[in-house]
Amino acid sequence: QVQVVESGGGVVQPGRSLRLSCAASGFTFSLYGMHWVRQAPGKGLEWVAMIWYDGSNKYYADSVKGRFTISRDNSKNTLYLQMNSLRAEDTAVYFCARPLGYDSGDAMDVWGQGTAVTVSS
Amino acid sequence: EIVMTQSPATLSVSPGERATLSCRASQSVSSNLAWYQQKPGQAPRLLIYGASTRATGIPARFSGSGSGTEFTLTISSLQSEDLAVYYCQQYNKWPPWTFGQGTKVEIK
Repeated sequence: QVQVVESGGGVVQPGRSLRLSCAASGFTFSLYGMHWVRQAPGKGLEWVAMIWYDGSNKYYADSVKGRFTISRDNSKNTLYLQMNSLRAEDTAVYFCARPLGYDSGDAMDVWGQGTAVTVSS
Repeated sequence: EIVMTQSPATLSVSPGERATLSCRASQSVSSNLAWYQQKPGQAPRLLIYGASTRATGIPARFSGSGSGTEFTLTISSLQSEDLAVYYCQQYNKWPPWTFGQGTKVEIK
């Protein structure tokens, strides 16, 4: 079945780095753009980053620009989020999500269960 | 950036009654509006896209309407399993893709 599974979360000190992964299966990963969306404890959804199907374009929320890098390996059906210079306000559950169609700007219809990141000393 | 504003913040509805949730965009998003349901401890689930098209497997009691800047999600006959937070999201002008702050639906 179509699914995405996130991993790599954990507890990290402020200023340190962490890399999240999202393994896709059940669909042709290389045809879809992919998103990262996060949710701080008790808060709403915040879009973080998006990458085109071929990695040629990447977009970031202002809150993470210059610190986070989205990438993908289509040969491994895997999406990544490299998070550097982490701050307490980056504490959240991070979801990867797939658009409904090949149009990268579409609604997001496939979501993982998320991986939790806690930034704390 | 397009700001999405949802109301009310919390909605308390008795089982079998109608629930009406609102979402307003700070500028026109045409019909590029989605609704998501998030139950406690779960990932978001796409309910509606294109402002009014139900996603695969979504019960007919969920319906969406509106275009431009004003949108509505209606649950025609609330079930106990509909307890959740509902988010609207625009995908008309990006980046960024923006979500509303959510409406929590409680069972009265």
